[in-house]
Amino acid sequence: GAVVSQHPSRVICKSGTSVKIECRSLDFQATTMFWYRQFPKQSLMLMATSNEGSKATYEQGVEKDKFLINHASLTLSTLTVTSAHPEDSSFYICSAKSPGTGVYGYTFGSGTRLTVV
Amino acid sequence: GDSVTQMEGPVTLSEEAFLTINCTYTATGYPSLFWYVQYPGEGLQLLLKATKADDKGSNKGFEATYRKETTSFHLEKGSVQVSDSAVYFCALQFSGGYNKLIFGAGTRLAVHP
Repeated sequence: GAVVSQHPSRVICKSGTSVKIECRSLDFQATTMFWYRQFPKQSLMLMATSNEGSKATYEQGVEKDKFLINHASLTLSTLTVTSAHPEDSSFYICSAKSPGTGVYGYTFGSGTRLTVV
Repeated sequence: GDSVTQMEGPVTLSEEAFLTINCTYTATGYPSLFWYVQYPGEGLQLLLKATKADDKGSNKGFEATYRKETTSFHLEKGSVQVSDSAVYFCALQFSGGYNKLIFGAGTRLAVHP
């Protein structure tokens, strides 16, 4: 079946640095990628939706300049956390619409746990 | 706003025990409801779904019934196995737009032999 490969699975970075998270769709083209974030004991929250070749649509309250999303190709979407701070420590997960699976078919990456120290 | 609330884990059970993970939702309208499962080191996978009231979703021995009157979608399994150990997420989705999923916080299930 469709697979989305997400890397890295874990990353620790220093405050003020930037971190890039990649999601690649294997064997299918992902025209739309969703990015979620989950704080401890809270729900997975949609951060933004990216469409290949166009600007991402961010959910209310998500800083566009802090969470840069690039979806330059049909198989790769990246999320860059810029000038990371400890409050950005969270679990980030991507999801792509799976081909041929109807309106309910989504394939998720395995997630990235970001710790900012 | 629209939201999903599910029971806080972890849930720890012995093999062959009965499982219930509660899920309730708040929504304006009539969403579709889902259970996703995340096994260690893997992405979320759709476990089952129900698209309208009184529908029952089922897969791999798991079941959940869409109850509009109680706005609930509780997950059940009659006899759990060690291999069912995972994190389970309840979610809702409205049709239209880009089909945004709204998730609960997830419930970790640990099954011991």
